[in-house]
Amino acid sequence: NAGVTQTPKFQVLKTGQSMTLQCAQDMNHNSMYWYRQDPGMGLRLIYYSASEGTTDKGEVPNGYNVSRLNKREFSLRLESAAPSQTSVYFCASTSGGGQETQYFGPGTRLLVL
Amino acid sequence: QKEVEQNSGPLSVPEGAIASLNCTYSDRGSQSFFWYRQYSGKSPELIMSIYSNGDKEDGRFTAQLNKASQYVSLLIRDSQPSDSATYLCAATSGGSYIPTFGRGTSLIVHP
Repeated sequence: NAGVTQTPKFQVLKTGQSMTLQCAQDMNHNSMYWYRQDPGMGLRLIYYSASEGTTDKGEVPNGYNVSRLNKREFSLRLESAAPSQTSVYFCASTSGGGQETQYFGPGTRLLVL
Repeated sequence: QKEVEQNSGPLSVPEGAIASLNCTYSDRGSQSFFWYRQYSGKSPELIMSIYSNGDKEDGRFTAQLNKASQYVSLLIRDSQPSDSATYLCAATSGGSYIPTFGRGTSLIVHP
């Protein structure tokens, strides 16, 4: 039982390049989330998926798109990376049953030059 | 806008002391509260959750909730250097399962 996994662990991009961050969970959770964490800013929600087939914007969605590929996988895409998107990205999942403990992946460190 | 406020610290305590971490929240409708620990370079992990007024104890950790004052705290007894980390407070409202996170408090336990 791996929990929540993320790939890649680290990525360097040039401004304007695109990339997709992958996330998968093996806990049969219904809900999945993408956060970014910047120094002094805490965790900010980018997008979430309450259940397979649904996605919704969070606090900071601009510049990102997501796909809930199936119940296990939730990907985050940067179409045209900007230096302001340099951050650590965490994927998380919850069972969706009410009192929601978030289970986090190990994170992806993204540097946009 | 829902807000969860924490003192960023760092909070420095000697080994063996009690560390007290505090959190306030703005949404009176908040019903579920969580404390996550995050070591440097790692992802957050749940330490405690609390849903009712009062205290909840788990080993060296005690979470305290006062909904009237909109205040949540985490006490760490017999603090150890391994407790040195950033502690994130989070709250969810009754109508939503989406948590609002505070910015975290950095705790340093020195030998």
